[in-house]
Amino acid sequence: DTGVSQDPRHKITKRGQNVTFRCDPISEHNRLYWYRQTLGQGPEFLTYFQNEAQLEKSRLLSDRFSAERPKGSFSTLEIQRTEQGDSAMYLCASSLGSTGGQETQYFGPGTRLLVL
Amino acid sequence: AQSVAQPEDQVNVAEGNPLTVKCTYSVSGNPYLFWYVQYPNRGLQFLLKYITGDNLVKGSYGFEAEFNKSQTSFHLKKPSALVSDSALYFCAVSLLSSGGSYIPTFGRGTSLIVHP
Repeated sequence: DTGVSQDPRHKITKRGQNVTFRCDPISEHNRLYWYRQTLGQGPEFLTYFQNEAQLEKSRLLSDRFSAERPKGSFSTLEIQRTEQGDSAMYLCASSLGSTGGQETQYFGPGTRLLVL
Repeated sequence: AQSVAQPEDQVNVAEGNPLTVKCTYSVSGNPYLFWYVQYPNRGLQFLLKYITGDNLVKGSYGFEAEFNKSQTSFHLKKPSALVSDSALYFCAVSLLSSGGSYIPTFGRGTSLIVHP
């Protein structure tokens, strides 16, 4: 069992640059979630996919954020024109969706972003 | 409004003593409740969940949680704390969004510190 992996683990960038993060879920999992976590807070939902379809997006996900899961396997989260307020841990989780809301999520180690 | 709350930012307990980490929720309909643990610089790990049935749920590492519908609570407990239990604990509830999907919503987290 390889678990959920995320790449890179750390990213330092300058304000205004674009960054892209990758998440590889557990292979048979059909649902994939992205969260943002800042210090002292719980994970905040950003978006989720069922297979390749993006089914829900949070109001937190501004126009500068975009996520894809082109073949229903790995996913990418891109942030354009980064701002200092984007500095956070970005977590990915996957699950095997059955009846909505009941499934256990398996989290990756996260990508820590620092925008200078 | 639907929500989940962890009223304590920090819980301190001596090793060998019982521990309780509190969680309360507000949802319409039947709640789906979860506990996750996060160690430093790591993603979240699933501990246990309540979907339906027995109000006492047993999970990983000797943890258990009691679902109390009348008090809308889902407190995490362990009979005898270990120093290695020191971590951040997150309660989560699946909330039905306006888009018709169940979205995992996390509390702010409680830092558990177990003293030797």
